[in-house]
Amino acid sequence: AQSVTQPDIHITVSEGASLELRCNYSYGATPYLFWYVQSPGQGLQLLLKYFSGDTLVQGIKGFEAEFKRSQSSFNLRKPSVHWSDAAEYFCAPITGFQKLVFGTGTRLLVSP
Amino acid sequence: NAGVTQTPKFRILKIGQSMTLQCTQDMNHNYMYWYRQDPGMGLKLIYYSVGAGITDKGEVPNGYNVSRSTTEDFPLRLELAAPSQTSVYFCASSYLGARVSNQPQHFGDGTRLSIL
Repeated sequence: AQSVTQPDIHITVSEGASLELRCNYSYGATPYLFWYVQSPGQGLQLLLKYFSGDTLVQGIKGFEAEFKRSQSSFNLRKPSVHWSDAAEYFCAPITGFQKLVFGTGTRLLVSP
Repeated sequence: NAGVTQTPKFRILKIGQSMTLQCTQDMNHNYMYWYRQDPGMGLKLIYYSVGAGITDKGEVPNGYNVSRSTTEDFPLRLELAAPSQTSVYFCASSYLGARVSNQPQHFGDGTRLSIL
């Protein structure tokens, strides 16, 4: 069965600094992977997705993620964080019947 | 385009009461899902549906029921509310077709449910 691990429960980044959120998955074949963001009191919004092909994928709001098969990782990055990026971030591979398997999430705090 | 709409946004129930969480989508998506999110946790799948008249259990189905009589609506029913069902509930939808697969899910804004 697929599983996903987000090792960092909380991360604090200064505004303007770079960001990397880690995601490790467990799946035998090539996974289909998503990153979602959840602002407080809101539903989940899709940031980006990886299906195949180019291992560096671009998303909305200046985010990107890189799929590394050798490391079973799909880390999310942003070169310069804005205060509005403070939210919870979820990595999720897709499984049968298009079901998503969610990690526990990483809460991003942005300091002035 | 409203997307996925959930009602109510907030609700407080007493133990043993029942209620139905409503979910409707206007994107003609054939797949729909119900998740619960407990504090500090990711989302866990309760039930899902691949089309009208077809539903199946997810990871945490106990204490819940669903039905899917139309493509648009996917209500979630709690028959005997228990404190363990205090959570935030999210409905989501996606589309799968003959030439379309692995599409992202679109989420509603959630229903915050407290059972006292």
